[in-house]
Amino acid sequence: EAAVTQSPRNKVTVTGGNVTLSCRQTNSHNYMYWYRQDTGHGLRLIHYSYGAGNLQIGDVPDGYKATRTTQEDFFLLLELASPSQTSLYFCASKGKANSDYTFGSGTRLLVI
Amino acid sequence: QQQVRQSPQSLTVWEGETAILNCSYEDSTFNYFPWYQQFPGEGPALLISIRSVSDKKEDGRFTIFFNKREKKLSLHITDSQPGDSATYFCAASANSAGNKLTFGIGTRVLVRP
Repeated sequence: EAAVTQSPRNKVTVTGGNVTLSCRQTNSHNYMYWYRQDTGHGLRLIHYSYGAGNLQIGDVPDGYKATRTTQEDFFLLLELASPSQTSLYFCASKGKANSDYTFGSGTRLLVI
Repeated sequence: QQQVRQSPQSLTVWEGETAILNCSYEDSTFNYFPWYQQFPGEGPALLISIRSVSDKKEDGRFTIFFNKREKKLSLHITDSQPGDSATYFCAASANSAGNKLTFGIGTRVLVRP
């Protein structure tokens, strides 16, 4: 069964801290995406990737870096976390052009 | 600027009623419109989708009505059940730009028994 696994499930960090959110997919999908979900904003795209080593900028990239180390693994990096980055983060993967997204279960991040 | 707009933000219906969720978009290159259903503590999951060449798509109790000229679509949930209580996201994408999806802010639906 196709799966997208995110870790950790919950994370608390201090302002200025360094955070890495992990995502692994076992779908053999080429595309992977990082979204943040906030009340009143829905899901907003941070970064995405077409494949290992490829990175594309999304709609709300400020303060975030991403790295796609393999086809399976996509990481989101917050090098100087701020309270405005407190959010629910979702990773998703997608296969060929006309297929649909498979989402992970999310990582809830609190920056205090 | 919100490229995909949803209304209402929340909706309460009684069991058995029809819930109507609205969505509109700005970008005329959008040609694929999935609706995602999200339960608390879970990621969104694809519910039903439509392409711009169609004006209606039905899957059981869920129907999408699409009006390309007005750039509007709606999701109808007939015979609503308490298990349909969830947040519903309208999304859109074009064939280009990596097929990335643009989401609306969501409609929270509560179905009262």
